[in-house]
Amino acid sequence: DSGVTQTPKHLITATGQRVTLRCSPRSGDLSVYWYQQSLDQGLQFLIQYYNGEERAKGNILERFSAQQFPDLHSELNLSSLELGDSALYFCASSGGGENEQFFGPGTRLTVL
Amino acid sequence: AQKVTQAQTEISVVEKEDVTLDCVYETRDTTYYLFWYKQPPSGELVFLIRRNSFDEQNEISGRYSWNFQKSTSSFNFTITASQVVDSAVYFCALSFNDYKLSFGAGTTVTVRA
Repeated sequence: DSGVTQTPKHLITATGQRVTLRCSPRSGDLSVYWYQQSLDQGLQFLIQYYNGEERAKGNILERFSAQQFPDLHSELNLSSLELGDSALYFCASSGGGENEQFFGPGTRLTVL
Repeated sequence: AQKVTQAQTEISVVEKEDVTLDCVYETRDTTYYLFWYKQPPSGELVFLIRRNSFDEQNEISGRYSWNFQKSTSSFNFTITASQVVDSAVYFCALSFNDYKLSFGAGTTVTVRA
């Protein structure tokens, strides 16, 4: 158990819908990262937050957004969902800097 | 641009054989960080090891060992005396000053009893 929690574990929804994925980092970790794992793209970095502020952005679609709240949990919002958004979404946390990232169990999103 | 290449797509071995996973990386930065993660069939990503670019000391931890060579931009990982529980996808990853991880495509290791 990495100490990072993600909810829900599975999510099935329809095209055009909007969903919110939630992540709670390990106790004391200020950095939260979101990654997407799909069969065709592999593991891709989406976005990073540090203590409530956005720090880095990867190949995140405009339909996707995220935020980190004062209690350090983070949410990833996916809207206008398409079939191609079906993937495993991971949240990771770290103490910051070059420290290793610890991953949550992931949320498997299926868009029908 | 950063790039991580894991040329081996799949490796299948019989229990107790050694397995070496190759990882080659590209970066122009002098300070960078290398990682290995394991993804078992259950799906979670498990951190195994981190190495800084200025620390080429290789390490053995139980049945795992790592070989970091800056001269060849390689960061290989070996499982000694493999066990069925080692069956997983292994990812090599690279980060530098922005700390986001760039992952290789992964190598699927299957250990047969």
